[in-house]
Amino acid sequence: EPEVTQTPSHQVTQMGQEVILRCVPISNHLYFYWYRQILGQKVEFLVSFYNNEISEKSEIFDDQFSVERPDGSNFTLKIRSTKLEDSAMYFCARTVDSSYNSPLHFGNGTRLTVT
Amino acid sequence: DAKTTQPTSMDCAEGRAANLPCNHSTISGNEYVYWYRQIHSQGPQYIIHGLKNNETNEMASLIITEDRKSSTLILPHATLRDTAVYYCIVREGDNNDMRFGAGTRLTVKP
Repeated sequence: EPEVTQTPSHQVTQMGQEVILRCVPISNHLYFYWYRQILGQKVEFLVSFYNNEISEKSEIFDDQFSVERPDGSNFTLKIRSTKLEDSAMYFCARTVDSSYNSPLHFGNGTRLTVT
Repeated sequence: DAKTTQPTSMDCAEGRAANLPCNHSTISGNEYVYWYRQIHSQGPQYIIHGLKNNETNEMASLIITEDRKSSTLILPHATLRDTAVYYCIVREGDNNDMRFGAGTRLTVKP
């Protein structure tokens, strides 16, 4: 059972629309991450978020993406104007604890389909 | 740039030990070795990690060579449900992100 809950499990949207993907960590840790996986490809890092700020982001995470933790619990990934190539599985992750080498625990993802 | 090298695929007989190798010849002194697996399109599942000592938990054992340039993940009694893609990742701590490669597709056969 994942320790991170993601909603929705599947999101279908039209090209150009905005989508918000949500992640609800069960415990209140500070480090969160978003990854994506295009069908048949590897899992790719998007962004890490620490103490309500972006800690690191990849070249994929361009201006159409944003992250926030609006209510101190949910962690969201917003895609402002979706493109066909944004179709992918999006995974949220958090560290297990605050130790230096803490592994990440992943949710089961949101499947985003852009038509 | 990939920090690890893994075989593309491996087969294992059900009930036998599965030994998955990983090369990480450029690993630095403060980088840990982590293993994850992914079943179908589910989220990556954490298995085990270590720095230089061998590690064991309820899922698997991790054997790291003395020079730390390679490691082996051992599933002692593989079951059909262990069929998955297994990822070996090296990562410096301090809550840095994980970077996934292509992994090894392990198929456990009856």
